[in-house]
Amino acid sequence: QQQVKQSPQSLIVQKGGISIINCAYENTAFDYFPWYQQFPGKGPALLIAIRPDVSEKKEGRFTISFNKSAKQFSLHIMDSQPGDSATYFCAAKRSGGSNYKLTFGKGTLLTVNP
Amino acid sequence: DAGITQSPRHKVTETGTPVTLRCHQTENHRYMYWYRQDPGHGLRLIHYSYGVKDTDKGEVSDGYSVSRSKTEDFLLTLESATSSQTSVYFCAISMGGDTEAFFGQGTRLTVV
Repeated sequence: QQQVKQSPQSLIVQKGGISIINCAYENTAFDYFPWYQQFPGKGPALLIAIRPDVSEKKEGRFTISFNKSAKQFSLHIMDSQPGDSATYFCAAKRSGGSNYKLTFGKGTLLTVNP
Repeated sequence: DAGITQSPRHKVTETGTPVTLRCHQTENHRYMYWYRQDPGHGLRLIHYSYGVKDTDKGEVSDGYSVSRSKTEDFLLTLESATSSQTSVYFCAISMGGDTEAFFGQGTRLTVV
């Protein structure tokens, strides 16, 4: 059972364009939704995160939109740059309990052409 | 970079041999995790630890065991490596709750 579904699997965008990656989750107990960015040969690194008490969070060119009723959230990268080319993972976690496990989507390979 | 060191960074081993991967942290974080990353599957949790000698299974734990005898070290053991365990393995640490999970640089394991 895949608890976090991510799409698209790959995405090609021109420099200056908008990149949009979507995720959907099933477990309504999830209450923390981070996005991770991974460059080749490196470990994933936190990019931006949101809790479901807000519908949108923006940090620079990166914005998370959150729709609690639809159980969906998305990452928007404005003015995409070649340096943004990387694999992006959405994730979800239940912050209560005792294990704090992150459940990841399968990832999106973003290529930004110059 | 957060103080996480994975060793070895690369390893080639033969089918049927035991393999141990090490994750060492200097951040004194309570929670430690082992993930594997495979094309088309993203990051999948193998095992995690919520304290010294406290561990539990993740979604793909078959064929793997872990140990945590000290806060700073989390070991992942493949008792008898199989080709299906060829993967990139990542260790992660966190303080729990909504805090960030920090990942190591990964270990590329090839089982031939």
